[in-house]
Amino acid sequence: AQSVTQLDSHVSVSEGTPVLLRCNYSSSYSPSLFWYVQHPNKGLQLLLKYTSAATLVKGINGFEAEFKKSETSFHLTKPSAHMSDAAEYFCAANTGNQFYFGTGTSLTVIP
Amino acid sequence: NAGVMQNPRHLVRRRGQEARLRCSPMKGHSHVYWYRQLPEEGLKFMVYLQKENIIDESGMPKERFSAEFPKEGPSILRIQQVVRGDSAAYFCASSPVGTSVSNEQFFGPGTRLTVL
Repeated sequence: AQSVTQLDSHVSVSEGTPVLLRCNYSSSYSPSLFWYVQHPNKGLQLLLKYTSAATLVKGINGFEAEFKKSETSFHLTKPSAHMSDAAEYFCAANTGNQFYFGTGTSLTVIP
Repeated sequence: NAGVMQNPRHLVRRRGQEARLRCSPMKGHSHVYWYRQLPEEGLKFMVYLQKENIIDESGMPKERFSAEFPKEGPSILRIQQVVRGDSAAYFCASSPVGTSVSNEQFFGPGTRLTVL
């Protein structure tokens, strides 16, 4: 069965410090993996996606994620957090039939 | 190119009433997906439709919920006899082609349903 696990429901960082949001997936084969961001009362915006090309994927707003097959992980990182990064982040896997979403990580950025 | 549009953005219904949620996919997209987001939870797949066809409704509750995507007009998610547990954000997404693994989905802003 396919599932996506986001290991932290809440993450707090200080402005200017690195961000790490963790995501693990389980699948009988390598799915495509996505990170979406959701600002309050807004829809989901795609940050980046992995589709079996380069394992290090660069996205918008300085975010990047690395696909590690051996660890079945797709963690999202950013070198320096900005106040505008405060939002809910969702990891998702596309198996071809459905998107499976993690339960989300709420990122707080402390000034 | 306008994005995925959903209306209304906010909908309030009393228990027992019907809720109709509309989704207009991006121009050129013929595949629509509906998701439900309960408070403090991630998005859960409900149904996948193409024009005039339901492709996968494995995430739809068996009763009271239905979806359509007619040849003309928006996709409609219909909830009959709403109950308080239906209160959630309902998101629509669209894609230009079928569910290829690498395809991303483009999301609308959601409809927030509150059942009193």
